[in-house]
Amino acid sequence: DAGITQSPRYKITETGRQVTLMCHQTWSHSYMFWYRQDLGHGLRLIYYSAAADITDKGEVPDGYVVSRSKTENFPLTLESATRSQTSVYFCASSEAAEPNEQFFGPGTRLTVL
Amino acid sequence: GQNIDQPTEMTATEGAIVQINCTYQTSGFNGLFWYQQHAGEAPTFLSYNVLDGLEEKGRFSSFLSRSKGYSYLLLKELQMKDSASYLCAVMDSNYQLIWGAGTKLIIKP
Repeated sequence: DAGITQSPRYKITETGRQVTLMCHQTWSHSYMFWYRQDLGHGLRLIYYSAAADITDKGEVPDGYVVSRSKTENFPLTLESATRSQTSVYFCASSEAAEPNEQFFGPGTRLTVL
Repeated sequence: GQNIDQPTEMTATEGAIVQINCTYQTSGFNGLFWYQQHAGEAPTFLSYNVLDGLEEKGRFSSFLSRSKGYSYLLLKELQMKDSASYLCAVMDSNYQLIWGAGTKLIIKP
């Protein structure tokens, strides 16, 4: 199916563990984004990517690592999870950086105990 | 700093009209977006404004005043399915979206 998917949809982990959240899009969009959404805050950009092998930090990158070896995939890794990283994570994609609609995946709800 | 302000929650009646305001202060401006987000779901695009004025799209309209740093989303003929959060986001000079915390809209019969 065309679109943008995320896996897992729900994840519970423990403090200190490494966790990888997956994002896959089938539109061949150049740009991909990772956001976190917490109550009382707007979506906050963690990392983004303009193309394969090009990534850049957003507003809240500390504690996260990304890679983009293929245009369609943009995994997000929490190297050593902390409770403050409990959140809902959304992946998004768009055709270009210039004002363009971003399409969002369904989200991953991550709980760090 | 960069800031997007919108009311936390609003209540309206089915069939009525509601206006959701958004004010912003950002480093640069490359347009303002409105997204709808139902509880537990992903945000979906509603509208984009880059020039001053009103953009109408069916029951939804969005207005922008760049000189005032102000936008609003107008929803007409409210339906129960319009119960959702409405997110205002501004694209800054680096083409990054700066998001407001969202306005939760509750529709009562």
